[in-house]
Amino acid sequence: LAKTTQPISMDSYEGQEVNITCSHNNIATNDYITWYQQFPSQGPRFIIQGYKTKVTNEVASLFIPADRKSSTLSLPRVSLSDTAVYYCLVGDIPPSGTYKYIFGTGTRLKVLA
Amino acid sequence: DAGVIQSPRHEVTEMGQEVTLRCKPISGHDYLFWYRQTMMRGLELLIYFNNNVPIDDSGMPEDRFSAKMPNASFSTLKIQPSEPRDSAVYFCASSLAGAVGLANYGYTFGSGTRLTVV
Repeated sequence: LAKTTQPISMDSYEGQEVNITCSHNNIATNDYITWYQQFPSQGPRFIIQGYKTKVTNEVASLFIPADRKSSTLSLPRVSLSDTAVYYCLVGDIPPSGTYKYIFGTGTRLKVLA
Repeated sequence: DAGVIQSPRHEVTEMGQEVTLRCKPISGHDYLFWYRQTMMRGLELLIYFNNNVPIDDSGMPEDRFSAKMPNASFSTLKIQPSEPRDSAVYFCASSLAGAVGLANYGYTFGSGTRLTVV
């Protein structure tokens, strides 16, 4: 079963680039890597998903090395409103072959003024 | 689209009472998930459905918990009888997933139901 490890918390200042790295040594060949963001009192929100190399959207970039054993979520020029918990997920496929996500503890990002 | 709709937003009940949480997934999504979130245990997957059929309920903590999906647009999570340790935020999420092992297009979560059992 693919498990993820990411820092428990990070602090940053407004305007800085933030990089959150996630380890997933047991990622399966067909698994995708997905990141979610959760604000207090809200459900997690899909940010970005990728399989290899680099993916970029209007919110973030996702960097995945060739061995895919880790990934890095990059948030450019963060603002106070980016303060949230960020979860790194890989597909968790049990022997039955069905698809589900297991959320880890996430990284609590605090953006300071 | 209105997104995933959960009701009620807040529920306060007494120990021993039956609690029913409701979820309306996004139209066309073929997966529905129930999660529970607490400070101590984080986000836990309780059960999920594919095309209205329960696929994996291994996360359901006890027999007091049950979930149904009578049709593609509605699901319930029931706790009977409720206990104080069931107090948590319960999230419903839906997804349009690809085939096993391929890209999952991301879950859309509802706003959650905050359950307090006193």
